Amino acid sequence: SQTIHQWPATLVQPVGSPLSLECTVEGTSNPNLYWYRQAAGRGLQLLFYSVGIGQISSEVPQNLSASRPQDRQFILSSKKLLLSDSGFYLCAWSGVTMNTEAFFGQGTRLTVV
Amino acid sequence: AQKITQTQPGMFVQEKEAVTLDCTYDTSDPSYGLFWYKQPSSGEMIFLIYQGSYDQQNATEGRYSLNFQKARKSANLVISASQLGDSAMYFCAMSFSGGYNKLIFGAGTRLAVHP
Repeated sequence: SQTIHQWPATLVQPVGSPLSLECTVEGTSNPNLYWYRQAAGRGLQLLFYSVGIGQISSEVPQNLSASRPQDRQFILSSKKLLLSDSGFYLCAWSGVTMNTEAFFGQGTRLTVV
Repeated sequence: AQKITQTQPGMFVQEKEAVTLDCTYDTSDPSYGLFWYKQPSSGEMIFLIYQGSYDQQNATEGRYSLNFQKARKSANLVISASQLGDSAMYFCAMSFSGGYNKLIFGAGTRLAVHP
């Protein structure tokens, strides 16, 4: 069966520090991969998605970047964190079939101080 | 542009009763998918149920059913026989053709199940 791992679960980082969140998927190949962010008490907003190795699409302008160095690995990064980067970050994967469900990781709660 | 609207910030229901969570959507795309996710306090997003725009019958998954009214662009979630463990945030979401299964989410509804 397919599983998705995301770490760390919580992170407290000072303003101006770098960020690296990692997500890996097991049990499937060539998945679509996604990074979402959830502000407190709100719905999820898509940040990045990837349909293949090295292919990254950004949905909103921001201080973050994403990379997909391997088929089942998706990384969210920042060179210098801002206070506004605080939030709950969720990695997800889906199959390539149109209109199929996405499965989410456990999430990372990031607090920038 | 696609949009999902959930107008109920909070709902409460007595244990063992049924509850309906509302969701309306807006899209001009003839092919789309509608999803419901549950988010407990732990934060994980749990997939509950899916309805395709071309599906003729309403989707059901155990105690969950989706009341799909295409002409009204609504996709309400019905939870039957509520349990205390159903207390959580519930999100309606939509995908669309050519969108690589990207999901557009509503703001969510917080459901509280009372004993």
